[in-house]
Amino acid sequence: AQSVTQPDIHITVSEGASLELRCNYSYGATPYLFWYVQSPGQGLQLLLKYFSGDTLVQGIKGFEAEFKRSQSSFNLRKPSVHWSDAAEYFCAVGAFKGGSEKLVFGKGTKLTVNP
Amino acid sequence: EAQVTQNPRYLITVTGKKLTVTCSQNMNHEYMSWYRQDPGLGLRQIYYSMNVEVTDKGDVPEGYKVSRKEKRNFPLILESPSPNQTSLYFCASSLRVGQPQHFGDGTRLSIL
Repeated sequence: AQSVTQPDIHITVSEGASLELRCNYSYGATPYLFWYVQSPGQGLQLLLKYFSGDTLVQGIKGFEAEFKRSQSSFNLRKPSVHWSDAAEYFCAVGAFKGGSEKLVFGKGTKLTVNP
Repeated sequence: EAQVTQNPRYLITVTGKKLTVTCSQNMNHEYMSWYRQDPGLGLRQIYYSMNVEVTDKGDVPEGYKVSRKEKRNFPLILESPSPNQTSLYFCASSLRVGQPQHFGDGTRLSIL
């Protein structure tokens, strides 16, 4: 069965510092992967996605993520964090099974940004 | 504007009183899904629908029903709500299976 692990429940960084949010997945074949962001009181917004091809994907708001098959990881990065990036971030892995889709989310990483 | 609309946004009700949360999308998406979000548990899929009249269970379907009579609508039905169904619910849709999902703004349900 698919699973997604986000090891860090809560991360605090200073504004302007770099950021890396970790995501590890478990799945027998090559999955497709997403990162979503959720601001307080809002729904989830897609940051970026990986289906195939280039393992370094660029997303919105200056985020990028790198798919590493050997490490079963899809970590999210940003070189310089802004106060508006404070939110909760979710990694998700999807796979086709029996003609339908199974999408599993990690438990999320809450990001706090200090001024 | 492309969107997924859920109603109501907030509801407080009592155990056993049937309720329906509506979900509508205006993007002609084939795939729709319901999730619940609980602290420390992330999002868990309740039901999903690949297309009209095609629905299937997700990870936590107990106590819920869905229907997909029209492409744009995917209501979530709680026939006999219980307090353990108090949660934040999200509806999502995507063009087809495998594509990124667009999420509604959520419905916060409190079952007393």
